[in-house]
Amino acid sequence: NAGVTQTPKFRILKIGQSMTLQCTQDMNHNYMYWYRQDPGMGLKLIYYSVGAGITDKGEVPNGYNVSRSTTEDFPLRLELAAPSQTSVYFCASSYPREMGEQYFGPGTRLTVL
Amino acid sequence: AQSVAQPEDQVNVAEGNPLTVKCTYSVSGNPYLFWYVQYPNRGLQFLLKYITGDNLVKGSYGFEAEFNKSQTSFHLKKPSALVSDSALYFCAVRDGSRMGNTGKLIFGQGTTLQVKP
Repeated sequence: NAGVTQTPKFRILKIGQSMTLQCTQDMNHNYMYWYRQDPGMGLKLIYYSVGAGITDKGEVPNGYNVSRSTTEDFPLRLELAAPSQTSVYFCASSYPREMGEQYFGPGTRLTVL
Repeated sequence: AQSVAQPEDQVNVAEGNPLTVKCTYSVSGNPYLFWYVQYPNRGLQFLLKYITGDNLVKGSYGFEAEFNKSQTSFHLKKPSALVSDSALYFCAVRDGSRMGNTGKLIFGQGTTLQVKP
């Protein structure tokens, strides 16, 4: 089991560019999540999905979009990159149980200049 | 609204001494509580969780946490700290009584644990 994998590991974007952060899990988890981590701020939920074809906004969704066409993949799209989106992005997944813990990917460090 | 507070940005302890990393929470229903650890340039790793039952929960790497309902706290503890325990620790909560559970967690801001030789 590879667990949760994310690509790329690092990326530098110019203001206004777009990109997609990839996330894949091989644990057959229904639930998947995207977080951003900023220093001293903990993790903030961007979007989440409870299954293929179902997504919903989290706490900080502005400037991002997601899709969930398969159980395994949950890509995060940045359409018009802004410096405020400079952050470390984590994807996570969990079993559809109330008490299930989340499993995290290694993260993508994004800088927008 | 659900919330988590980790009142200390950093905790410093000497190797071999006991350590405590504090966490308090606020939920309207039954809390499901989690601790995660993050090593530099890595993702978060699950340490332990409290769902129900015994208030003292044991987890990975010798860590344990004590659930205190009256004080709405879930402090992380270890009897004897190691230098390798130095990392960033996150407490998280979910309201276990909410209908239509989506597994969403609310995270604290994190506490850096520094264990010195």
